[in-house]
Amino acid sequence: AQSVSQHNHHVILSEAASLELGCNYSYGGTVNLFWYVQYPGQHLQLLLKYFSGDPLVKGIKGFEAEFIKSKFSFNLRKPSVQWSDTAEYFCAVTATSGTYKYIFGTGTRLKVLA
Amino acid sequence: NAGVMQNPRHLVRRRGQEARLRCSPMKGHSHVYWYRQLPEEGLKFMVYLQKENIIDESGMPKERFSAEFPKEGPSILRIQQVVRGDSAAYFCASSPSFSGFDTGELFFGEGSRLTVL
Repeated sequence: AQSVSQHNHHVILSEAASLELGCNYSYGGTVNLFWYVQYPGQHLQLLLKYFSGDPLVKGIKGFEAEFIKSKFSFNLRKPSVQWSDTAEYFCAVTATSGTYKYIFGTGTRLKVLA
Repeated sequence: NAGVMQNPRHLVRRRGQEARLRCSPMKGHSHVYWYRQLPEEGLKFMVYLQKENIIDESGMPKERFSAEFPKEGPSILRIQQVVRGDSAAYFCASSPSFSGFDTGELFFGEGSRLTVL
């Protein structure tokens, strides 16, 4: 069965600090990978996605993620966070065959101090 | 994205009552997913539906929970005889195609928060 692990449940950073959120998945086949973000009081929205090709994916608002197949990881990074990045971040995976259900991690709550 | 509409946004029920949560997908979307969010547990997959079909219900509790997505009208998540442990936020997401692979994106609603007294 597919599963997604996010190691950090709560992260607190100061503005301009660098960010890296860990995500590891468990699945034996080919997967597609996603990061979603949920700002306070808002719905989840897509931050970036990986299907194939260049394992370094760039998303909105300066975020990027790197797919490392050998480590089953898809970590999210941002060189310099802003107060407006305060949100909850979810990693998700879906298989490329079968029923295509999206499996989400437990989420990481990021708080950026001004 | 204001396209996926969920209602009610907040629902309070007493133990033993029924809860019905509705989800209207974005226009043109024929696939709906339901997720449950509990504190510190992230988003738990419940069910994936296509119009008039349940594609994957492997995340649904065996009893008291059911879901449908009729040809006309919204998708409904129904919880019978609610218990306190059902208190959670329930999110609906839709996609325009099988798994949303055209864009790889699920579009989420703002959720329905169920409180069971």
